[in-house]
Amino acid sequence: DVKVTQSSRYLVKRTGEKVFLECVQDMDHENMFWYRQDPGLGLRLIYFSYDVKMKEKGDIPEGYSVSREKKERFSLILESASTNQTSMYLCASSLRGLREQYFGPGTRLTVT
Amino acid sequence: QKEVEQNSGPLSVPEGAIASLNCTYSDRVSQSFFWYRQYSGKSPELIMSIYSNGDKEDGRFTAQLNKASQYVSLLIRDSQPSDSATYLCAVIKTSYDKVIFGPGTSLSVIP
Repeated sequence: DVKVTQSSRYLVKRTGEKVFLECVQDMDHENMFWYRQDPGLGLRLIYFSYDVKMKEKGDIPEGYSVSREKKERFSLILESASTNQTSMYLCASSLRGLREQYFGPGTRLTVT
Repeated sequence: QKEVEQNSGPLSVPEGAIASLNCTYSDRVSQSFFWYRQYSGKSPELIMSIYSNGDKEDGRFTAQLNKASQYVSLLIRDSQPSDSATYLCAVIKTSYDKVIFGPGTSLSVIP
C-alpha cells in the first residue's frame, strides 16, 4: 500500500513565525503535491513537483514556498505565517503520467 | 464555467438504495477521471479511477464515463450508512497537468 505521511496532525503557530510542513512518501512516486482545504473552497493546489529539485506553482502559491531535495520528501514552507493561512494542509503523491493521487492524513494548522 | 462541477448536495438516500453522484467537466481533452471519498476530518481516499468510455465496476461502486457528453458519474449500490461522506470528482487533462478537483458532493445514507 502507498503510504504518505505528514510531520504533524495538528500545529499551532504565531503570526510571523516560519512554519515547515513535511511530507514523505514511500512508493517511489515522481509527483508530489501540496493542497490546502477550506470549507466552501474545496481543495486548492499550492505547489507541485514532478521531480527532485523541480517545483511548479499551483493556484495559490503566494505566501508559500517548497523544497524537494530528495524524491521521497516534499516540504511546504510558510515564510511568515498569517492568520489567513489557518487551514487543513494535505500532501499527495502519484506516479508520473495521468495517475491517481494518494493523500497523507493532513495537518491542521492554526495561526494565532 | 468551472472546470469540474458537481452538485454540492447534500444528497440523502435510504440505506440499501442506489446513490448516484454526477460530475461534469469543461475541457474535452481531459483523459483521466477519479472519484475520491472524504470522511469528515479525514483526507481524501481514492475509490475509483476510469480512463475510457463506459462502465467500470468495483464491488458496490460503478464509475461511468461519457466523454462525448463530458460527464462522469459514480453509482453506489446497496448504500450503507458508512458511505456517508463527501465525494470528490477529479480530472487530469494531459500528462504533467495538475489534477482538477470538483467541489464535492455530500452524501448522507439514512438508516
